Amino acid sequence: EAGVAQSPRYKIIEKRQSVAFWCNPISGHATLYWYQQILGQGPKLLIQFQNNGVVDDSQLPKDRFSAERLKGVDSTLKIQPAKLEDSAVYLCASSLHRLGQTATAFFGQGTRLTVV
Amino acid sequence: AQSVTQLDSQVPVFEEAPVELRCNYSSSVSVYLFWYVQYPNQGLQLLLKYLSGSTLVKGINGFEAEFNKSQTSFHLRKPSVHISDTAEYFCAYSNQAGTALIFGKGTTLSVSS
Repeated sequence: EAGVAQSPRYKIIEKRQSVAFWCNPISGHATLYWYQQILGQGPKLLIQFQNNGVVDDSQLPKDRFSAERLKGVDSTLKIQPAKLEDSAVYLCASSLHRLGQTATAFFGQGTRLTVV
Repeated sequence: AQSVTQLDSQVPVFEEAPVELRCNYSSSVSVYLFWYVQYPNQGLQLLLKYLSGSTLVKGINGFEAEFNKSQTSFHLRKPSVHISDTAEYFCAYSNQAGTALIFGKGTTLSVSS
């Protein structure tokens, strides 16, 4: 079974530029998450999708970050404009949706963003 | 607020020694607890999980964890570690079914010979 795919693996941009990350979840997984992992810290949730609807985006800095999952499968996360403090690894994860249950989240390898 | 605390940021051990990585969570009626491992430049891989049932949970690579409700803990243990266990370990928690996991800050396990 193929895992969660993310691209690119690495990205270096200058501050104030824009950047986009792509995620393809495991086939059949209705729930998709984007996490931000700053060096030395644990992952922090940015946004959670259920199919193509947003479940939780309370920690997404909406003035510069946006995410979409138009067809309920692939997702993109965009940052515009980027700031130095956005340097981090962006992890995508997916899980099966089980009503009233917590399912295991499977993670991609992440995209390491460096803002200079 | 929901939280999970990993009590040790770094744990150095010698090969074949036992190890315990500590994790405490904020008390709630329902809890779902996970341990993930992250190798350098990799994503997170599930080691084990507690959703309900037996409080002793066995995972991959010889790891196990015990859910202790009275102490709100979910410590990870391995009786004999290998060099290859060197990695970052994350405890994660949710207190509501279907919600995203909250992660601790991680514990770096360093195994030396």
